[in-house]
Amino acid sequence: AQSVAQPEDQVNVAEGNPLTVKCTYSVSGNPYLFWYVQYPNRGLQFLLKYITGDNLVKGSYGFEAEFNKSQTSFHLKKPSALVSDSALYFCAVRDSFLGSSNTGKLIFGQGTTLQVKP
Amino acid sequence: KAGVTQTPRYLIKTRGQQVTLSCSPISGHRSVSWYQQTPGQGLQFLFEYFSETQRNKGNFPGRFSGRQFSNSRSEMNVSTLELGDSALYLCASSSHYASTDTQYFGPGTRLTVL
Repeated sequence: AQSVAQPEDQVNVAEGNPLTVKCTYSVSGNPYLFWYVQYPNRGLQFLLKYITGDNLVKGSYGFEAEFNKSQTSFHLKKPSALVSDSALYFCAVRDSFLGSSNTGKLIFGQGTTLQVKP
Repeated sequence: KAGVTQTPRYLIKTRGQQVTLSCSPISGHRSVSWYQQTPGQGLQFLFEYFSETQRNKGNFPGRFSGRQFSNSRSEMNVSTLELGDSALYLCASSSHYASTDTQYFGPGTRLTVL
């Protein structure tokens, strides 16, 4: 069964420092991986996805993620954190369905709260 | 393009009642999925619809049901509400149901069951 794990409940960084939010995955077949961000009382906003190709994926708001097949990881990164980046971040993987890969269902990690301090 | 819209944004119900939540996908999107978000269980998949057909269903009791209309708008219904049904219900739309498609989420409906 597909699964994702976010090993840190909370990540604290100082504004201007680089940030990393960790995600590891377990899939059978091709991994289709996504990052979303959730601000208080809001829905999830899409940041980026890995489907195939380049291991470094660039997304919205200056975020990027590095896909590492050997370590089954898909960590979210940003070179310089902003206070406004403080939010809840979710890593997700597409489920496999009836032996095929065509399903919209996402399996989410438990989320990581990012706190950026001025 | 307008994003995914969900109505109502907030609902308060009592145990035993039923509730219907509505979702309008991004224009042109034909796939709609529903998720339940709670502090304890996180984000859990409820169902997925494409062209008025339920393609996939999560592990929820039969009290949870949904449907999709010909204009791709979707509703979900929860009957005989329980306290544990209190959650943020999120709807997401995508152009199709392929695994490579991005799902875009609405702001959610916050359901409180008293």
